[in-house]
Parts: sequence; C-alpha cells; structure tokens
Amino acid sequence: QSALTQPRSVSGSPGQSVTFSCTGTSSDVGEYNSVSWYQQHPGKAPKVIIYDVNRRPSGVPDRFSGSKSGNTASLTISGLQAEDEADYYCCSYAGNYRLVFGGGTKLTVL
Amino acid sequence: EVQLLESGGGLVQPGGSLRLSCAPSGFTFNSYAMSWVRQAAGKGLEWVSTISGSGGVTFYSDSVKGRFTISRDNQKNTLYLQMNRLRAEDTAVYFCAKWRGTYYYYFDSWGQGTLVTVSS
Repeated sequence: QSALTQPRSVSGSPGQSVTFSCTGTSSDVGEYNSVSWYQQHPGKAPKVIIYDVNRRPSGVPDRFSGSKSGNTASLTISGLQAEDEADYYCCSYAGNYRLVFGGGTKLTVL
Repeated sequence: EVQLLESGGGLVQPGGSLRLSCAPSGFTFNSYAMSWVRQAAGKGLEWVSTISGSGGVTFYSDSVKGRFTISRDNQKNTLYLQMNRLRAEDTAVYFCAKWRGTYYYYFDSWGQGTLVTVSS
C-alpha cells in the first residue's frame, strides 16, 4: 500500500494555471477511474474538489479540472486565486474499500 | 447538512489503548460506509480503516491491522475506532469520513478530527 507520488510543492501567480501530478501504479490509479482530489487549508478538514478523475462536486468552481493517463492523474487549476493556496492530495481507490493517498502538494500563490 | 464530530483523542503511553468516536448527523447513517483517515503533523493523509453501512464488513491498512478495530452502532448513530498496542508512529489527527455512496469511491464529508498523541 505505497502512497501515490506527488510533487512537494507547486507555485503560480494569480490568474495563471497550475497542474499537479499524481503517480500511482497499475493496481490503483491505472486500474480504477476512481481518482479524487482533496483541498486542505491549514488546520481544516480536507474537502473533495474532484472525484471519478474529472467530475466536480456541486459548488466547486469549473476552474478545477482533472484528468488521467495510465498510472498518472492530474489536477489543473486555471485562473489561480489567492484562496486556492492550500495543500492538495490525490487519492485513488485500490479495491476492497481501500483508498491510497498521495503525499500532498503545497500550492503557493505568489 | 452533514456533520461528523469526532471525540476521544488524547495522550496515551506506548502500548496503551484509546477509543475514538464519531457522531454523525444530517444523513441516514446506516446507508453509508465510513472510514477513519489520519494525518501526522506536517504529513499527508493516510487511510486507516473502512466499515460497511451494515457494519458487517471491515477493511484495514497494513499499518494498523491486528491492532485497531473499526465498528459502528447504527442504533446509537456512532462510529468507533478501538486502538490497541499504540505506537509513537500512530500519533496523528484522526478524521472520520463518509463515503459518497455505492460505486462512488471517495469521501464527501469529513469531521474536524481528533488528536491522538502516543508518548511516554
């Protein structure tokens, strides 16, 4: 049950687009179209922003989008805003109600 | 509105035990699988355990299997995590989280977490 691989940090200026990568294996990301992304502000609970690779829960702006190719999933935030500064975690279903998370990426809005 | 309220965290010595509770509201508790997810200070999220809506099926991460037990009382609307033989590396904030539903493999609601510190 190894964690998914995410870059430690990403940065961008307001209005720009940033992309986060998330690399797993053929047993998790590659096997299931059940990749989700969570946004976590300091001291707060995580909040789902993408599920099933590219679907957004109601209330999540369409600036957030997801994709997947093979064993790697990606999250893109377009039109970066100051309030997007947070930690972002990818997560993949791995069978039998098990989920595996990435180590998280810290987004800094310059 | 869905709410999840964890309790039971605290300071415990290595080798000791602790039981966490999670009180849900705003949804039909017995219709949803639930999980515990933990986060050590400054670290990422780690899935710990899942229990089905009926409570009849449970799953654990390798790091806690044989030491932790997840359970639920659907009459009392409460989720539990019994943690035994605690180790320093179990120190973390423990979140309870609600699964979206059948065939949706993600958490749509989280509690605010309860801190467990394992130290002598």
